[in-house]
Amino acid sequence: QSVLTQPPSVSGAPGQRVTISCTGNSSNIGADFGVHWYQQLPGTAPKLLIYGNNRRPSGVPDRFSGSKSGASASLAITGLQAEDEAEYYCQSYDSSLSLWVFGEGTKLTVL
Amino acid sequence: EVQLVQSGAEVKKPGESLKISCKGSGYSFSNYWIGWVRQMPGKGLEWMGIIYPGDSDTRYSPSFQGQVTFSADKSTSTAYLQWSSLRASDTAMYYCARHLDVVATTSPLDYWGQGTLVTVSS
Repeated sequence: QSVLTQPPSVSGAPGQRVTISCTGNSSNIGADFGVHWYQQLPGTAPKLLIYGNNRRPSGVPDRFSGSKSGASASLAITGLQAEDEAEYYCQSYDSSLSLWVFGEGTKLTVL
Repeated sequence: EVQLVQSGAEVKKPGESLKISCKGSGYSFSNYWIGWVRQMPGKGLEWMGIIYPGDSDTRYSPSFQGQVTFSADKSTSTAYLQWSSLRASDTAMYYCARHLDVVATTSPLDYWGQGTLVTVSS
C-alpha cells in the first residue's frame, strides 16, 4: 500500500470535468516537496502531465490542472476527451522514508 | 530533442544475470539524475532508485537495495540497471527517466525511456 492514496477509478462523459485526488501526509505532500502527475496511456511509458503542484510542461493542454492544499493534491481535467482515458499517477518525495513515492494510480474511463 | 532509449526486451531464466541500458541524448547526460521505475504486470509504478551520472552517486529504495545495481557511463551517455541473479518476481517493465533538475527531491521525471520488458521464466 502506497503512502500516497488515490481512488482506484474515476469516470466521466465527454466534455465533463473530473478530478483525481492524491492524499499524503506531513512527510511528503505536506512537506512541500512538490506533487507531480503522470499520465500513462495503455501500452506506453508514463508522461509528465503536471509538476511542482500546478505547473504544466510545454505541450500539455490547459485542460489539465493541478492544485495542492495541505497534505492533499488534486488533478483536474476539464472538457474530457476520449483520448484522456488512461491511468494517472501522483508522485512526491517522502522525507521520513527518504525515497520518492508514487500513488497507486487512478484509471480514468471516458464514458 | 531529449531522448532516453532503452535496450530491448529480455527473456531470462531464474538465476541468470542481466544488464539493461538507457541511452540519453539531446542533453548533458552527466548533469541530470536518472531514475529507474518498475511496473509489474497490471500494477502501478514503483520507484527503484536514482543515479547521478556525473559522479555515479546512487540512492536505492529499501525494497530494491541489494537486489539490483545502478551504474552509468558518462562517455557513452548510458545508464544501466543490472541483476546478478534474477527471480521470477523480477518479471516487469522497467523504465528509466530523467529528473528535471539537479535537486532531485523536488523535481519530476520529465523524460522517460520507452521501457524494457524483462521476463524471467524457467
